[in-house]
Amino acid sequence: DIVMTQSPDSLVVSLGERATINCKSSQSVLYSSNNKNYLAWFQQKPGQPPKLLIYWASTRESGVPDRFSARGSGTDFTLTISSLQAEDVAVYYCQQYYTTPITFGQGTRLEIK
Amino acid sequence: QVHLVQSGAEVKKPGASVKVSCKASGYTFTTYFMHWVRQAPGQGLEWMGVINPSDGSTSYAQKFQVRVTMTRDTSTSTVYMELSSLRSEDTAVYYCARRSRDGYNYFESWGQGTLVTVSS
Repeated sequence: DIVMTQSPDSLVVSLGERATINCKSSQSVLYSSNNKNYLAWFQQKPGQPPKLLIYWASTRESGVPDRFSARGSGTDFTLTISSLQAEDVAVYYCQQYYTTPITFGQGTRLEIK
Repeated sequence: QVHLVQSGAEVKKPGASVKVSCKASGYTFTTYFMHWVRQAPGQGLEWMGVINPSDGSTSYAQKFQVRVTMTRDTSTSTVYMELSSLRSEDTAVYYCARRSRDGYNYFESWGQGTLVTVSS
């Protein structure tokens, strides 16, 4: 199984500041035949299902604010929120869909300072 | 607009089974694989398996292989997830999640979740 490891486990950031979450996979999720990274990011608020933010490692889902961006390739990925808003308080998960079993990172809890 | 509506909360005793439903609307039901993901209280997301609504074929995570059964009813656009031999560790919110429009296994749409509580 591909193990997804996020860092940090929790993050406290001031409003308007940048937040950065890391995700590392135990093996590459880059598929050489199409040069795509099979990596997604989700946001989950209390009592709600996860919401897709990013897929193919860097493609923002429709309707997601452009303060959310992501990058990375192979085994190392990053989600960045450029200017933290109050509504961004949530737990963030990365997910690999390169192979089954599909696996998620353990989550990063983002709070406001 | 895609809607996935799940059945209501369940309380079960250890050793029992639970069957959770997920009714889809807003798209052609048989076109997109449906996955099940669970989340124990205060914990992360755990993939359980996937069903192809077109032909009913399934693929399960090894952890759940002997205890989970995923089925579908094309006449009502509903998928089901049945988990047997329940134990306290199965207490969790269970989500159905539809694969992406472009046919890959990231999840664009999720059900609202069904809380299953296993307690004697």
